[in-house]
Amino acid sequence: EVQLVESGGSLAQPGGSLRLSCAASGFTFSGYGMNWVRQAPGKGLEWVANISGSGAITYYADSVKGRFTISRDNSNNTVYLQMNSLRAEDTAIYYCAKGSWRSFFDFWGQGTLVTVSS
Amino acid sequence: EIVLTQSPGTLSLSPGERATLSCRASQSVASSYLAWYQQRPGQAPRLLIYGAYSRAIGIPDRFSGSGSGTDFTLTISRLEPEDFAVYYCQQYGSSFLTFGGGTKVDIK
Repeated sequence: EVQLVESGGSLAQPGGSLRLSCAASGFTFSGYGMNWVRQAPGKGLEWVANISGSGAITYYADSVKGRFTISRDNSNNTVYLQMNSLRAEDTAIYYCAKGSWRSFFDFWGQGTLVTVSS
Repeated sequence: EIVLTQSPGTLSLSPGERATLSCRASQSVASSYLAWYQQRPGQAPRLLIYGAYSRAIGIPDRFSGSGSGTDFTLTISRLEPEDFAVYYCQQYGSSFLTFGGGTKVDIK
């Protein structure tokens, strides 16, 4: 059974940093791309970032490019999202989702809440 | 960027009724690379349909997808109590992945 478990969400100050983690199990982790997708309170879904199975290739939404970094550790079946220069508009539930670049997302974690406020 | 417009914003129906949800793209979606997701309150999204009409593993056959180009439809043939939720479409035919704004299906 595929499981994705996010952690690391919390309250952060504007301009601050956070690192999110997503622990994966139930599939051959290194064989699949992974994504972060976010949802602001009461709003729709926004794709944030994608990383290839090897970790060599990454893609970002324009809204986070240059501030967020996606990475992965295939030895520990974990994908990360390093979030720097946080803004109030980054407040959202962040979901980890399995899927290759330019594909659909076939499994999702339960999400972790990031709140950016002073 | 391909903008996806979902309609209606809210659909009020009774259990057992048929639901028809629309997703219209601002430009043609390559190779019908269009997916549908269901999100129940307090839960993560769940993949229902990919490639415009292929059901994901474990999805009941009362859910069906159709369409191509710029117009896509999700149909729920007979609403069950657990189907009252928000539904999102997503296109993955371009480098800029985008979602629609969602359609809420609520109980009449």
